[in-house]
Amino acid sequence: ETGVTQTPRHLVMGMTNKKSLKCEQHLGHNAMYWYKQSAKKPLELMFVYNFKEQTENNSVPSRFSPECPNSSHLFLHLHTLQPEDSALYLCASSQRLAGLQETQYFGPGTRLLVL
Amino acid sequence: AQKVTQAQTEISVVEKEDVTLDCVYETRDTTYYLFWYKQPPSGELVFLIRRNSFDEQNEISGRYSWNFQKSTSSFNFTITASQVVDSAVYFCALSEVNAGGTSYGKLTFGQGTILTVHP
Repeated sequence: ETGVTQTPRHLVMGMTNKKSLKCEQHLGHNAMYWYKQSAKKPLELMFVYNFKEQTENNSVPSRFSPECPNSSHLFLHLHTLQPEDSALYLCASSQRLAGLQETQYFGPGTRLLVL
Repeated sequence: AQKVTQAQTEISVVEKEDVTLDCVYETRDTTYYLFWYKQPPSGELVFLIRRNSFDEQNEISGRYSWNFQKSTSSFNFTITASQVVDSAVYFCALSEVNAGGTSYGKLTFGQGTILTVHP
């Protein structure tokens, strides 16, 4: 595997279900991100993890719960979602070092439909 | 607050035409990064270019070129001799940077421009 991978690519779930999205980066990066892309809004940053520590929570509802067990893996645990949470969820990673020009590299996304 | 505006929601061209995608940004920072990403139908955001706010040189990469004008806060992207494979959504983004030059990791994206290239 190369780059940033995400599983599953597609997910349909009911509002009472619990599911998890998985992201893995094979780039040796130390920072990982979750973004939400819905049809009517621009890309929204949800969470930022730097060296496994959460450094940003962009006012995301508690029904979204991130987990970063190590610098290569990032999860997004979902429970009691609403239909308006249907969107493309994108994971990204980057190498963050002081003074280093940083670029985020994205995975293919998980397309989520909440019924 | 930072803001990125891509005024063109959709552009449609015929193959071999040149096309320019506009990007205007707002920031109070003196140091920042600008990016362009391409999102084909598969969904993955593909990195195209990063530009440091101190580097106003224009850049050319094959059929792609970028025009950074700090005076007008614009970072426009031109595709020369467009091809059907260029059809995608293109995003311009802005990243905050602290005084030491380290990014905060927060990318502010524009709304995106849907480019359709017809054969």
